[in-house]
Amino acid sequence: DQQVKQNSPSLSVQEGRISILNCDYTNSMFDYFLWYKKYPAEGPTFLISISSIKDKNEDGRFTVFLNKSAKHLSLHIVPSQPGDSAVYFCASKKNRDDKIIFGKGTRLHILP
Amino acid sequence: GAGVSQSPSNKVTEKGKDVELRCDPISGHTALYWYRQSLGQGLEFLIYFQGNSAPDKSGLPSDRFSAERTGGSVSTLTIQRTQQEDSAVYLCASSLNADTQYFGPGTRLTVL
Repeated sequence: DQQVKQNSPSLSVQEGRISILNCDYTNSMFDYFLWYKKYPAEGPTFLISISSIKDKNEDGRFTVFLNKSAKHLSLHIVPSQPGDSAVYFCASKKNRDDKIIFGKGTRLHILP
Repeated sequence: GAGVSQSPSNKVTEKGKDVELRCDPISGHTALYWYRQSLGQGLEFLIYFQGNSAPDKSGLPSDRFSAERTGGSVSTLTIQRTQQEDSAVYLCASSLNADTQYFGPGTRLTVL
């Protein structure tokens, strides 16, 4: 039973445009949400997070939106840059001390 | 370096052999996680150590898999009687107080 779902395995976006990566979760107990970025042959690196008390968190070109009623979050990257091409993982956990559960990832291609 | 390190970086073994994968977390990090990523799949949670608490082993796929964390630092993931379906990249991550995880580069395991 997959608790964190990223239904788009891949996404292609023109350089300079907005990239929107989506994530859905099923466990209403999840309280904290994270996005990770992964390049080939490297471990994932933390990108941005949001707690359930907020609906938006912004860090430079990256913004995460959380819709708790819909159990949905999204990552917006604007403007998209070539270095953004990577696999993006959505992740969630129930509380501070709980394990983190990852989605299957979305491969983002930024087109020149 | 101050990051998470894993060894070996690559391991090729024959079906039925035992393997040990090592993870050196960031010094002082209380939480340590093991994940695996099979080809074309997302990050599958395996096991989670948090301080002196009993580890969360709920992700281990079979009793052939076990992990230890000695002295609250180095961790070893052991796979006994390896099978071809065990082939994957095994990723270790550590975090301080279960916040943002920092991942190592992974160990690529190939079972022939």
